[in-house]
Amino acid sequence: AQTVTQSQPEMSVQEAETVTLSCTYDTSESDYYLFWYKQPPSRQMILVIRQEAYKQQNATENRFSVNFQKAAKSFSLKISDSQLGDAAMYFCAYTLEYGNKLVFGAGTILRVKS
Amino acid sequence: EPEVTQTPSHQVTQMGQEVILRCVPISNHLYFYWYRQILGQKVEFLVSFYNNEISEKSEIFDDQFSVERPDGSNFTLKIRSTKLEDSAMYFCASSEWAGASNEQFFGPGTRLTVL
Repeated sequence: AQTVTQSQPEMSVQEAETVTLSCTYDTSESDYYLFWYKQPPSRQMILVIRQEAYKQQNATENRFSVNFQKAAKSFSLKISDSQLGDAAMYFCAYTLEYGNKLVFGAGTILRVKS
Repeated sequence: EPEVTQTPSHQVTQMGQEVILRCVPISNHLYFYWYRQILGQKVEFLVSFYNNEISEKSEIFDDQFSVERPDGSNFTLKIRSTKLEDSAMYFCASSEWAGASNEQFFGPGTRLTVL
């Protein structure tokens, strides 16, 4: 069975600084996707970034980038120039390339200090 | 921008009662999902639905649960006889097509409290 582990229950970052959220996963499959979702206090989950496992290049979306290490089954999220609006719960998630079911990690609460 | 909506935002019910949680997916989406998040725990997949049929379900989705698309816009999750452990946040999601390359858009959730 696929599992996703987020070992940091909570992280803090100073505004304008950089923070990295960790995620590891376990799968025997070779074709899959990984995601980071943001869940602000309003509780609607929003997709932040996604990575296709067959792509070696790390995905980036503006201030958000990932460090995808396929052999190590690691998928960390880096947030640069942190802003107050980045404060939220962040979930790492996995799905098979042709699947629909998202498997989520436990989440990391990110606090941004002004 | 189109979004997934869910009603009610909070539902309180007595143990043993039936509840129906409602979702309106994005209008051109064909795939629908329910997830739940027990307080302090992971978001868990319950069921996916396409073409008026369940396409996949988890072991959580037992005979107490059912899903339906009663009309062209709503997607519902019914819990027939609620238990205390059904208390959770229930999220509906939809996607245009199947497969991981198609983003799942989530609703704001319904908080279900079973007393």
